[in-house]
Amino acid sequence: DTGVSQDPRHKITKRGQNVTFRCDPISEHNRLYWYRQTLGQGPEFLTYFQNEAQLEKSRLLSDRFSAERPKGSFSTLEIQRTEQGDSAMYLCASSFNQEGLTFGAGSRLTVL
Amino acid sequence: EDQVTQSPEALRLQEGESSSLNCSYTVSGLRGLFWYRQDPGKGPEFLFTLYSAGEEKEKERLKATLTKKESFLHITAPKPEDSATYLCAVQALGGSYIPTFGRGTSLIVHP
Repeated sequence: DTGVSQDPRHKITKRGQNVTFRCDPISEHNRLYWYRQTLGQGPEFLTYFQNEAQLEKSRLLSDRFSAERPKGSFSTLEIQRTEQGDSAMYLCASSFNQEGLTFGAGSRLTVL
Repeated sequence: EDQVTQSPEALRLQEGESSSLNCSYTVSGLRGLFWYRQDPGKGPEFLFTLYSAGEEKEKERLKATLTKKESFLHITAPKPEDSATYLCAVQALGGSYIPTFGRGTSLIVHP
């Protein structure tokens, strides 16, 4: 198993554009998480899937953010009408039940 | 609301100088406490899970301990390759499986 894969690793976009990130979790893992991290901060929870069901979404998450996990496999995180405040590292992680999370390398977003 | 506070924010050590990092937490009930290591530009790497007060886990030069209010990550005779940010996270009882992270402690070990 190659671990958790995220794509793209870096994305530079202009304000107002839409961006989509993809995450391929470890195949045996039933849980998938998206976090956002800015410099000097810990990861901040965005949303969580168990299999294909999105079970929880952060109250802080704008309606511009949407995530999917079709068939309980890979997941996508879309940000519509990006703003400069969306610039951050977007981290995907997966786990099997209550085990520690396995994180991907992250997708770094820069909004100009 | 679950809260995790890590201290110090930054720590500089000389190679071989042992020290401890602190993680204080507030949760309604603890399901698990996790320690991660994060290198610059990379995702966090899982180190340990602790479930109950008194529990200890060890890995090489690292040992994690847990009380009812805090956890310590003890680093014995650190080496420069131990330089990283160490993150603590808690998972609460009551249905949510979402770990809440602290801001981390940035550790630099000088040769």
